[in-house]
Amino acid sequence: EPEVTQTPSHQVTQMGQEVILRCVPISNHLYFYWYRQILGQKVEFLVSFYNNEISEKSEIFDDQFSVERPDGSNFTLKIRSTKLEDSAMYFCASSYGYSNQPQHFGDGTRLSIL
Amino acid sequence: AQSVTQLGSHVSVSEGALVLLRCNYSSSVPPYLFWYVQYPNQGLQLLLKYTSAATLVKGINGFEAEFKKSETSFHLTKPSAHMSDAAEYFCAVTSDSSYKLIFGSGTRLLVRP
Repeated sequence: EPEVTQTPSHQVTQMGQEVILRCVPISNHLYFYWYRQILGQKVEFLVSFYNNEISEKSEIFDDQFSVERPDGSNFTLKIRSTKLEDSAMYFCASSYGYSNQPQHFGDGTRLSIL
Repeated sequence: AQSVTQLGSHVSVSEGALVLLRCNYSSSVPPYLFWYVQYPNQGLQLLLKYTSAATLVKGINGFEAEFKKSETSFHLTKPSAHMSDAAEYFCAVTSDSSYKLIFGSGTRLLVRP
């Protein structure tokens, strides 16, 4: 069964550095998402992406964050000038389309900011 | 605005006992509701979904959920718990007005031998 893959599984970065989290969505899916889960807290929506542009973003997704689909298969989340509070599990998801279609999640990248 | 409330951050049952995980939602538009399961060090796996067809929805691993509009609930049940069901379970809501999933805070299911 097709799946969403994320790399790396764990990323350790010094505060203030830039980090790029990578995702390969399911190949025939059209919508892509990033969520994050701070330890002990809810899974929170960050951004959705469709047709090479952001379709929706949350208040968390400020100028520090950006997303890109650099080629036909990858979907990336870039965090500039990381802060301690960016430490979290970041999940990528994809869906075929329509809000009643389920989103399929990757195993996540655990980001630790030192 | 939409929101999800999951009552009980931890639920403990004996193996073979009924599993009931509670989810209540708030939505000003017709909701689509999902249950996801997360095993340790893994991502979120879809258990089942409600998308305005049948109100009783069957999912994987013997789980089912019933959409009750009058109670704004979408509780998850399984008649007989298995040790392998131990995991964290998340209820989530979305709608035609937004594709983002709004998650509840999760319920950790513990299964005692």
